[in-house]
Parts: sequence; structure tokens; C-alpha cells
Amino acid sequence: AQSVTQPDIHITVSEGASLELRCNYSYGATPYLFWYVQSPGQGLQLLLKYFSGDTLVQGIKGFEAEFKRSQSSFNLRKPSVHWSDAAEYFCAVGAYNQGGKLIFGQGTELSVKP
Amino acid sequence: GAVVSQHPSWVICKSGTSVKIECRSLDFQATTMFWYRQFPKQSLMLMATSNEGSKATYEQGVEKDKFLINHASLTLSTLTVTSAHPEDSSFYICSAREAGPNQPQHFGDGTRLSIL
Repeated sequence: AQSVTQPDIHITVSEGASLELRCNYSYGATPYLFWYVQSPGQGLQLLLKYFSGDTLVQGIKGFEAEFKRSQSSFNLRKPSVHWSDAAEYFCAVGAYNQGGKLIFGQGTELSVKP
Repeated sequence: GAVVSQHPSWVICKSGTSVKIECRSLDFQATTMFWYRQFPKQSLMLMATSNEGSKATYEQGVEKDKFLINHASLTLSTLTVTSAHPEDSSFYICSAREAGPNQPQHFGDGTRLSIL
């Protein structure tokens, strides 16, 4: 069955510290992968996406993610977190033959302490 | 680019009324639009997928007669919650996607629906 797991429900990091949010997927077909961010009461904003090619992808707001097929992972990273990065982060997986439908992880809430 | 506008952002209404939510792609043609429901502190739950000019495809457990979806043009989809009741109160989010294999979904800002 298709699934996306974000093992960490809530993470707190200090401002300026590095960040890594974990995402593991289970999908039989070739996946394409996304990270979205959601601020309270808002919709989702696309941070980055992976379809093929270079397994390290760069996104907006200084985020990057690395696709590791052997580990079925697509972890999101940022070298230095800013207070404005506090939000909910969702990993999502889709497949080429699913009409663009996505499966979302449970989300990871990021808190940033000064 | 890739802006999706969702309206209204917040609606409060009495039980038994119907509520219409609009989702518009402002600068691209959305061949496919998706409607989600999100409960507090939870992930998005896909309700239905709509392709322009076709009937929507509903996910299992979603009442198609309760949640009417129309996707009459390449830039507009609507979700109508018919005879809404307090249990329909939720955060509803739409997304839109262009045609093509590598296109992401772009999301609206959501609609907070409160049924009294």
C-alpha cells in the first residue's frame, strides 16, 4: 500500500541551528516527491519537488532535500533556521499514473526558539 | 506564478444552509483540481478530484450528494456543502494542477467553515 511517514510529529530547534525533517515513503511505482509548508490557518506552499535526475534538490527559502532510493527517504534540510520557519511541514508522494493525486504524510510541526 | 485563489476564507452559517466555496487558478490553466478537508492538527484528507468538464471522482467515504463539486472551466472549481451541519465544520483546501506528468499541486489558502 502507498504511504508516507513523517516520524516526528513535533520538532523544536533553536534559531540559527540546522534542521532535518524526516520523510519515508512506500510506493511501488516510480515516485515523485514534494515538501510543502503550511502556516497556521493558511494553505500549503510548495517548498521543493523531486522527479528525477540529481537526488539533491534545492527549494525556496533556503531548503533542500535529498532523495535516497535505497532508504526510501526524502529528508528536508536547512542549514540555519529562522524564526519565520516555524510552521507545519508536509511530505507528499505521487506517481506518474495517478493523475496528479498525492499522498501526504502526517506532518511535522516545527517550533523555533530564540 | 501558479497562484490559486480560494474564496471565501471564512464562513459562518446556520445548520441546514448550503455553502459554496470557489477555487480559481489565476495565472495557469488547471486541468485538475483537488478538494481536501483538514481537521485541527491533522494532515490533509483528499475528498475528491475533478477534471475540467468531467464529473468529480470522490474518495471512499465522501458523500457526493453532500459535497457537490463542479469544474466547469479551466480556472474555476466549486465545492458546495449542501444542507450543512455542525459536523461539516472544518478547514477545506483546494489545489490546482496543470496538465503534464511533472506538475505539482498549487494550493489555495483554505476556507474555514463553521456551522452553528
